[in-house]
Amino acid sequence: GNSVTQMEGPVTLSEEAFLTINCTYTATGYPSLFWYVQYPGEGLQLLLKATKADDKGSNKGFEATYRKETTSFHLEKGSVQVSDSAVYFCALTEDDKIIFGKGTRLHILP
Amino acid sequence: GAGVSQSPSNKVTEKGKDVELRCDPISGHTALYWYRQRLGQGLEFLIYFQGNSAPDKSGLPSDRFSAERTGESVSTLTIQRTQQEDSAVYLCASSLAAGTGVGAFFGQGTRLTVV
Repeated sequence: GNSVTQMEGPVTLSEEAFLTINCTYTATGYPSLFWYVQYPGEGLQLLLKATKADDKGSNKGFEATYRKETTSFHLEKGSVQVSDSAVYFCALTEDDKIIFGKGTRLHILP
Repeated sequence: GAGVSQSPSNKVTEKGKDVELRCDPISGHTALYWYRQRLGQGLEFLIYFQGNSAPDKSGLPSDRFSAERTGESVSTLTIQRTQQEDSAVYLCASSLAAGTGVGAFFGQGTRLTVV
């Protein structure tokens, strides 16, 4: 079946560091891909998405590119802030279900 | 309402009791999803609805779990004879339609504690 694998956390970085959170997927067909974020004490929010190969989703300085050849959708940000501390979930939609990865906890130090 | 609303926000129940969790999706959203998130874990898919129908119930952990949706709106997730391993945050999400690329909007969840 379809699945999403993302790097295990926690990831700890200093403020202004470059961030990459890896995500790879297994799917039949052509899924849409998403990153969701869960800030402390809050619900999940959609961060960005891409619906076809080579699309780049972006929001709040975060980016991810839909790479069909490597079945990946890695999340990147050039300069992280303390306020980016959260849990990040990679997900895909296919056949009407949304499948999530296990989440990666990100902790940014001031 | 403007977002997905879940109630109660917290529920403590005794082992063996039944509980009912409610989800009010965003108006006009035909797809509705239920997930379970255990402490420190990812999201575990339970069930989704397209309209009032549930095409995929494969994620329900046991026959103690059931869900329904009426009027293409409110959904309830019922857990009968609760067990301690049912303790988790139960999340509901809705989207315009299942299988689209628009993403889903999540409620704040119901934190269930079985004692």
